[in-house]
Amino acid sequence: AQSVTQLDSQVPVFEEAPVELRCNYSSSVSVYLFWYVQYPNQGLQLLLKYLSGSTLVKGINGFEAEFNKSQTSFHLRKPSVHISDTAEYFCAVSRGTNAGKSTFGDGTTLTVKP
Amino acid sequence: EPEVTQTPSHQVTQMGQEVILRCVPISNHLYFYWYRQILGQKVEFLVSFYNNEISEKSEIFDDQFSVERPDGSNFTLKIRSTKLEDSAMYFCASSYLAGSTFGSGTRLTVV
Repeated sequence: AQSVTQLDSQVPVFEEAPVELRCNYSSSVSVYLFWYVQYPNQGLQLLLKYLSGSTLVKGINGFEAEFNKSQTSFHLRKPSVHISDTAEYFCAVSRGTNAGKSTFGDGTTLTVKP
Repeated sequence: EPEVTQTPSHQVTQMGQEVILRCVPISNHLYFYWYRQILGQKVEFLVSFYNNEISEKSEIFDDQFSVERPDGSNFTLKIRSTKLEDSAMYFCASSYLAGSTFGSGTRLTVV
């Protein structure tokens, strides 16, 4: 079984500041890792995913994440945030096979202030 | 870019009524899922479907729930007798390999 812990429930930052949203996972098998964004009253949009290969993954909207196997982490970063990045961010893990259910973290609310 | 389409976007139903939530997955995808998100909470897995049968289900997915892929394109979730606690956003997802594409969700309100 897999589990995901998002270490911060709320992250307030000022516009143009860097941000890091933290995610740790646990699993007894190899995993795939994902970050999704959810804007108010909308669905889930895939930001980026790690399947294999380079541990630094670049996604949409200027976000990137780094897979750290020894620390079982997959933190999401953006060097300069915009007001429009205000949303809920979910880290998710699935077992490292062709397909499988995703287990989600509790979410982190990113609020970007002017 | 291909999308997962869910209908309706909102549904209000009376307690005890049956509801069917509909999804059109991406056409070449092989794996199909339903998740739910109770307001303010995290996304929870309900069921996965592959090769015309349920491949995995959670403890939430009890006898009140069923899934079907009736015509090779639609993927439905039926709740037989809705309860107040079934009020949630329901997401359909599909995948070919790793990484699911999610629909925009159906907000179900049971009154």
